[in-house]
Amino acid sequence: DAGVTQSPTHLIKTRGQQVTLRCSPKSGHDTVSWYQQALGQGPQFIFQYYEEEERQRGNFPDRFSGHQFPNYSSELNVNALLLGDSALYLCASSLLGEAFFGQGTRLTVV
Amino acid sequence: GQQLNQSPQSMFIQEGEDVSMNCTSSSIFNTWLWYKQEPGEGPVLLIALYKAGELTSNGRLTAQFGITRKDSFLNISASIPSDVGIYFCAGQLLRIGANSKLTFGKGITLSVRP
Repeated sequence: DAGVTQSPTHLIKTRGQQVTLRCSPKSGHDTVSWYQQALGQGPQFIFQYYEEEERQRGNFPDRFSGHQFPNYSSELNVNALLLGDSALYLCASSLLGEAFFGQGTRLTVV
Repeated sequence: GQQLNQSPQSMFIQEGEDVSMNCTSSSIFNTWLWYKQEPGEGPVLLIALYKAGELTSNGRLTAQFGITRKDSFLNISASIPSDVGIYFCAGQLLRIGANSKLTFGKGITLSVRP
């Protein structure tokens, strides 16, 4: 079992650009959540996808959007990048209850 | 966004010592989880608690779900160098047929002196 995998591991983007991050959930998991972790902080919930629909959303602007595919994998898209979007982006998958995290994508906006 | 309260920010202990960390919230949760994160990695689940008053162990780790449902603590016994990392608590409101978001604390960075 490969666990939760995310790609890419690191990414550098310029302010104003758009970025897409990808996540493959743990085998058998149908729910994918995305979190943003700023340096020195705990992860902050962005949104959650289940059955290809956004089921729950945190306090993030519409520049953050996502998608879930029929195979349960997911993408996180961020438009019009700001310097403050620099963070570790974590994907977590779950079936019932316990969430398992990927290694994250380190996004740096310059 | 809301964060759970974890303090102090850092803890320094001697190898072999026990250490306790607690986590408090102004809101009630019906699930508490403890994660450990090492540099360059995502959080790894250590213990999950589902019932108020529950005490659960995982090797040298023991965690308890507070009776008020607004707190939890984690104890690590006989610490070893590989216990070094950032320990996060997370609260969750699980509903039947649905997973809800995790609300995290800021984490406690644990250092273990050999």
